[in-house]
Order: sequence, then structure tokens, then C-alpha cells
Amino acid sequence: AQSVTQPDIHITVSEGASLELRCNYSYGATPYLFWYVQSPGQGLQLLLKYFSGDTLVQGIKGFEAEFKRSQSSFNLRKPSVHWSDAAEYFCAVGAGSGNTPLVFGKGTRLSVIA
Amino acid sequence: DAGVIQSPRHEVTEMGQEVTLRCKPISGHNSLFWYRQTMMRGLELLIYFNNNVPIDDSGMPEDRFSAKMPNASFSTLKIQPSEPRDSAVYFCASSLGAGSGNTIYFGEGSWLTVV
Repeated sequence: AQSVTQPDIHITVSEGASLELRCNYSYGATPYLFWYVQSPGQGLQLLLKYFSGDTLVQGIKGFEAEFKRSQSSFNLRKPSVHWSDAAEYFCAVGAGSGNTPLVFGKGTRLSVIA
Repeated sequence: DAGVIQSPRHEVTEMGQEVTLRCKPISGHNSLFWYRQTMMRGLELLIYFNNNVPIDDSGMPEDRFSAKMPNASFSTLKIQPSEPRDSAVYFCASSLGAGSGNTIYFGEGSWLTVV
């Protein structure tokens, strides 16, 4: 079965600074990988996803993520953080085949300071 | 397009009372998921349905919890009797298929407080 780890529970960055949120997964084959964002009081919204092909994936709101098979990672990045990016970010991994649903990480809470 | 619609958005109830949470998935989606989110345990999958049939309910915490999907456009999650430790945000989500290649779309959640 697949699993996902988000090592950082909480990260604080200054507005305008770059951001990288870590995600490591465990799965024997090529996984499906997702990043979701949850703003306060809201549900989860898809930021981007990776299925195959180009390992650098572009998403909404200026985010990107890179799939690195050798490191079993799918880190989320943004070159310049805005105050509105403060939210909870969830990485999720899915099996590349079959009918099993996604497995979500425990999330990383991002705070943005002036 | 309407997203996943959940009701109620907020509920405060007394311990021992029955709680019913409702969900309308996105039209055309054939998979529906119920999640629970707490600070301690994060996001937990409780149960999911495919074509209105429960596929995996191993995440349902105990017999006090039950879920139904009588048709493709409606599902309920019931807690009877409720306990303070059930206080959480309950999310309903839907997708075009249960397979993990399908994007899951979440509702805005039902915020439950049991006192």
C-alpha cells in the first residue's frame, strides 16, 4: 500500500520569499501524486497533479512541483510567496493502477509574515 | 458548475444526540468519499462509495457511524449516538472514479461540535 510523509508540520516564510514544501511517498511503482491546498474554513482544492511525463508540473496560483523518483519525493515550490498563500497544504499519493483512493499526508501549515 | 455541496455547514449538538450530515456530489461523478479532519489525526478516509455501493468502510471508527448513498446524487453520514470525541470537520468529496488517477473534489465541510 502507498503512504506519504510531509516532514514539516508548520513553516513560516516572509512575503516575497521562496517556498518549498516537502513530500515523500512510498509506493513500489510509479505513483499518481497530488498537492491540495486548504484555506481556513474551506475544503481542499487541487493545486496540481503528476501522472507521467515531464517531472516538473505546473499548477494554479504560481505553484510547481517536481517528481524525483530517485528520492521518492514530490516537493511543492513557489518562487515568491504572497500573504494569501497562508493555508494548509496536503500531498497525496495514489496507486498507479487499481481502484484504491488517494492517501493523504498530514499536511503542512504555511504561515506568511510581512 | 456546482461543486460538492454539504449540509449543514456548522452543527453544535449535545452528547447522545443523533447527527446526520448530508452531501450532494458533483453531477456525473460516480465515486463519493467521506473524510474526517481533526488536529490530532489529520485527514482520515472514513468510507467511500463507487456507483452508490460502499467499497471500503474500514475507516469508519465504530458502529455509531453509518453512511448511506441511496442514489447517485445524495449521501448521508450519520452518528448515533454522538460523543464529544466526534467533534471534527467532516468532508464529502467526489470524483469520476474511485481510482487514484481521478481528481477528488471536496466540499467545504461540515463543522461538528459535540458538547
